[in-house]
Amino acid sequence: KAGVTQTPRYLIKTRGQQVTLSCSPISGHRSVSWYQQTPGQGLQFLFEYFSETQRNKGNFPGRFSGRQFSNSRSEMNVSTLELGDSALYLCASSTGTSLKDEQFFGPGTRLTVL
Amino acid sequence: TQLLEQSPQFLSIQEGENLTVYCNSSSVFSSLQWYRQEPGEGPVLLVTVVTGGEVKKLKRLTFQFGDARKDSSLHITAAQPGDTGLYLCAGVLMDFNKFYFGSGTKLNVKP
Repeated sequence: KAGVTQTPRYLIKTRGQQVTLSCSPISGHRSVSWYQQTPGQGLQFLFEYFSETQRNKGNFPGRFSGRQFSNSRSEMNVSTLELGDSALYLCASSTGTSLKDEQFFGPGTRLTVL
Repeated sequence: TQLLEQSPQFLSIQEGENLTVYCNSSSVFSSLQWYRQEPGEGPVLLVTVVTGGEVKKLKRLTFQFGDARKDSSLHITAAQPGDTGLYLCAGVLMDFNKFYFGSGTKLNVKP
């Protein structure tokens, strides 16, 4: 069974630009969650999508948005990038039946904002 | 401040030593999980504990969920270099049904 894949693995952008990150979950998983990981703040929850609907949302500004497609693939968009958005963005998939279900993480996308 | 505070933040030990990592909160969690993350990879689930006082063992790793469901610990016996990584606790906050990760403990086991 293929794992969670994320593209691209590395990205360099400048302040003010926007970026779209992609995540393909494990086949059969309907829930996709996104996290931001930084040395200072650790792993912070961005949002979760289940069956194309945002089911949970963390405390991030509206510049961070996402969506999920009918095949469960998900994209995350960050507009008007700021230096502080530099981070590892992780996507995780699960069956989505319970919050304590095992989440399977992708390798992440390392975003650097200059 | 994080809802789940882990201590210590960093730990560097010799192969063969024992260690304990703590995950503490003032809030009650309906379940707690422990993940390990290696450089360049996403976290991988080690265990889920759901009952207060529960103890689970995974080879040399022992996990405990506090009686009051506000804390957890991870004990590693005879640490090996392969145990090196970032250990993260995570849990579902009771009554709010929200999922949070802890602040993380970076473990380095030297051969």
